[in-house]
Amino acid sequence: GENVEQHPSTLSVQEGDSAVIKCTYSDSASNYFPWYKQELGKRPQLIIDIRSNVGEKKDQRIAVTLNKTAKHFSLHITETQPEDSAVYFCAARPSGSARQLTFGSGTQLTVLP
Amino acid sequence: DTEVTQTPKHLVMGMTNKKSLKCEQHMGHRAMYWYKQKAKKPPELMFVYSYEKLSINESVPSRFSPECPNSSLLNLHLHALQPEDSALYLCASSQVVGASGANVLTFGAGSRLTVL
Repeated sequence: GENVEQHPSTLSVQEGDSAVIKCTYSDSASNYFPWYKQELGKRPQLIIDIRSNVGEKKDQRIAVTLNKTAKHFSLHITETQPEDSAVYFCAARPSGSARQLTFGSGTQLTVLP
Repeated sequence: DTEVTQTPKHLVMGMTNKKSLKCEQHMGHRAMYWYKQKAKKPPELMFVYSYEKLSINESVPSRFSPECPNSSLLNLHLHALQPEDSALYLCASSQVVGASGANVLTFGAGSRLTVL
């Protein structure tokens, strides 16, 4: 089955700096890669996703890049703000998988004011 | 309506109690899921329902019993739980299971369960 590794487990940045979280996956059949943000006590919320036919996707301060050859994808947050502080989970889904998503272990991002 | 609604938000139960968690969505999604999440860990898949039929049980102990009465509702019946079962239980839904295209998973806010 799919295995997703996520690094780092914790990340602290100064407000206004950039943050990068990296994930690698094992199943070359995976074709969908979402990122979820989970604030303390809240539900995981989809913040951006990318499909395997695209190398990069941006949405305002958030971007995701995908390298299918190396089987890794990354989340980039620019101009970080205190409200970006949360746990971020990457995930991967093999094409046609009924199990939906395999999640990474999560990254606790803290943006220091 | 673009939400998944879960009740109750909090539940405290003893090891001999029987209780149920409920989940509802009105997005026309035909796939529904139960996940268990421990603090600062990723969600762990428990069950998948596709078109109201159980399609995946991730070797979950029988003290957890899922039920899908119709396409909008998903229940999780709890009986004789252990303290280690204390966790956040998340319901989620998606348009279908296993589609190759965009098939976004939408989570509910969760039911926080404490087993005494």
